[in-house]
Amino acid sequence: QQQVKQSPQSLIVQKGGISIINCAYENTAFDYFPWYQQFPGKGPALLIAIRPDVSEKKEGRFTISFNKSAKQFSLHIMDSQPGDSATYFCAVRSGAGSYQLTFGKGTKLSVIP
Amino acid sequence: DSGVTQTPKHLITATGQRVTLRCSPRSGDLSVYWYQQSLDQGLQFLIQYYNGEERAKGNILERFSAQQFPDLHSELNLSSLELGDSALYFCASSVEGKGEQFFGPGTRLTVL
Repeated sequence: QQQVKQSPQSLIVQKGGISIINCAYENTAFDYFPWYQQFPGKGPALLIAIRPDVSEKKEGRFTISFNKSAKQFSLHIMDSQPGDSATYFCAVRSGAGSYQLTFGKGTKLSVIP
Repeated sequence: DSGVTQTPKHLITATGQRVTLRCSPRSGDLSVYWYQQSLDQGLQFLIQYYNGEERAKGNILERFSAQQFPDLHSELNLSSLELGDSALYFCASSVEGKGEQFFGPGTRLTVL
């Protein structure tokens, strides 16, 4: 059972454009929704995260939009740069007991000049 | 640099062998998590330790085991290795069980 569905699998955006990656989850018990960025050969790096009591969080060029009723959240990268080219993973965390992260399958973003 | 260290960076071994992967969490972090990343399964949670005690188990095979030592470093032991165990193994740490998780650089395991 795939608890987190991430789309698209890959994304090509022109420099300066907006990159949008979406995730949908099934379990309403999740209490924390982070996004991770991973470059080839490196570990995932925490980019930005949101909790379900807010609908939007912005940090620099990165924004998470959260829709609790639809059980969806998305990452928006404004003014995308070639240096943003990486694989992005959404994740969810259960609010009770185990604090493991369940990840989406990832989105490979390519920002072209 | 997340502050989480993992050794070795690369490991090449043969089927049937046993290996040990090591992780040192960020200073002050009590919780350690192990994840496996493969092309077909993606990033999957294996096991969590908190201050020396096992806290949660995920999709961890019986051939795999882990422990966290009094100095809080952790080791993941993989035995009777199979070709399908070839993957990236990441360790993450957090201040306590519910905190943000910071990932190490990973160990790439190749089983021939």
